[in-house]
Amino acid sequence: DAKTTQPNSMESNEEEPVHLPCNHSTISGTDYIHWYRQLPSQGPEYVIHGLTSNVNNRMASLAIAEDRKSSTLILHRATLRDAAVYYCINTGTASKLTFGTGTRLQVTL
Amino acid sequence: GAVVSQHPSWVICKSGTSVKIECRSLDFQATTMFWYRQFPKQSLMLMATSNEGSKATYEQGVEKDKFLINHASLTLSTLTVTSAHPEDSSFYICSARVATDTQYFGPGTRLTVL
Repeated sequence: DAKTTQPNSMESNEEEPVHLPCNHSTISGTDYIHWYRQLPSQGPEYVIHGLTSNVNNRMASLAIAEDRKSSTLILHRATLRDAAVYYCINTGTASKLTFGTGTRLQVTL
Repeated sequence: GAVVSQHPSWVICKSGTSVKIECRSLDFQATTMFWYRQFPKQSLMLMATSNEGSKATYEQGVEKDKFLINHASLTLSTLTVTSAHPEDSSFYICSARVATDTQYFGPGTRLTVL
């Protein structure tokens, strides 16, 4: 799987938008970009995924750069329940997910 | 949505005993499931890929005779930690793959070996 780079941590105020960046400069043309998040003592939770076009769902939006070398997960209004570690993962042909260290998002009142 | 359950959610066992962890896809069929391990303050590490009706594929460094995986049906995969030792204490998480390589994860099983 292609390696991704994310900031170790980010902070946000509640009710404000959050933009979580991810660099994946070695992504191949067929790799999907997946985002998962993990709350403390829980299994990861699927957030969103995309290939080339921007994607929206009830949880978040995914903005993918035109060259696909980076992407941004957008939480439109952060809540305390969004505090988690967010993982950006590119999936290769083996369909295996390789988890990096992710971005720890802190949300404050 | 796709729901994956694990049982038990936590288990404490004595050193040398074996522990079985179940992973079930509740509302969908999964030909491929994955088993991960997560130590405190670390990220998830893939242990093995479990395919229904065939032998599991283990990642490098994972002992297949110690971590027995059985995927006998399209909704159930089991991980048995044999002859458990304190260093096997960890958070074990399974996932099931759906289309476009998306995986849905179980809530995890915390294993403590005394």
